[in-house]
Amino acid sequence: GAVVSQHPSWVICKSGTSVKIECRSLDFQATTMFWYRQFPKQSLMLMATSNEGSKATYEQGVEKDKFLINHASLTLSTLTVTSAHPEDSSFYICSAPATGRNTEAFFGQGTRLTVV
Amino acid sequence: LAKTTQPISMDSYEGQEVNITCSHNNIATNDYITWYQQFPSQGPRFIIQGYKTKVTNEVASLFIPADRKSSTLSLPRVSLSDTAVYYCLVFRGAGSYQLTFGKGTKLSVIP
Repeated sequence: GAVVSQHPSWVICKSGTSVKIECRSLDFQATTMFWYRQFPKQSLMLMATSNEGSKATYEQGVEKDKFLINHASLTLSTLTVTSAHPEDSSFYICSAPATGRNTEAFFGQGTRLTVV
Repeated sequence: LAKTTQPISMDSYEGQEVNITCSHNNIATNDYITWYQQFPSQGPRFIIQGYKTKVTNEVASLFIPADRKSSTLSLPRVSLSDTAVYYCLVFRGAGSYQLTFGKGTKLSVIP
């Protein structure tokens, strides 16, 4: 089946630095990808919709200047957490819809970000 | 989109059939029902999807009554590896891939 791969799986960074997370669709093209954030023992919260070749659409309350999204190709979307703070520590997950099936989305394995 | 409500947690012994019911009273005509499974520190994984009546695949069955205001995910003969959080989602079909996750049901399978 289709695979969405995220990199890195986990990252620890210092406060004030920036971290880039990559999301790749390995065997299909994705004009749209989604980025979610999940805090411990909570559900996934949609952060933004990443659109290939155009600007991302952010959910209410998500700072677009802090969470930079770039979808430069049909197989790669990146999320950059800029000037990270400890409260940004979370599990970040991307997804892409299955081509030709308007029902199923494939999720990456997630990235555990810890800001110290 | 219709809000979904499902039990926060469920326990089951190995080998039993588990039924998780989700209510979605405000489901619209164009909405589909889909279920995802999530293990700790992993991304969710698609289980099953349906519009009405019954859908069955190799891992689960989905029962949707005629009024579509609820749905039941049925997992036959669960094993320890089925311990996970199960999310019921309602999404607008015809190309809408945006998924809104509720709180999910944490299923614990006991030996």
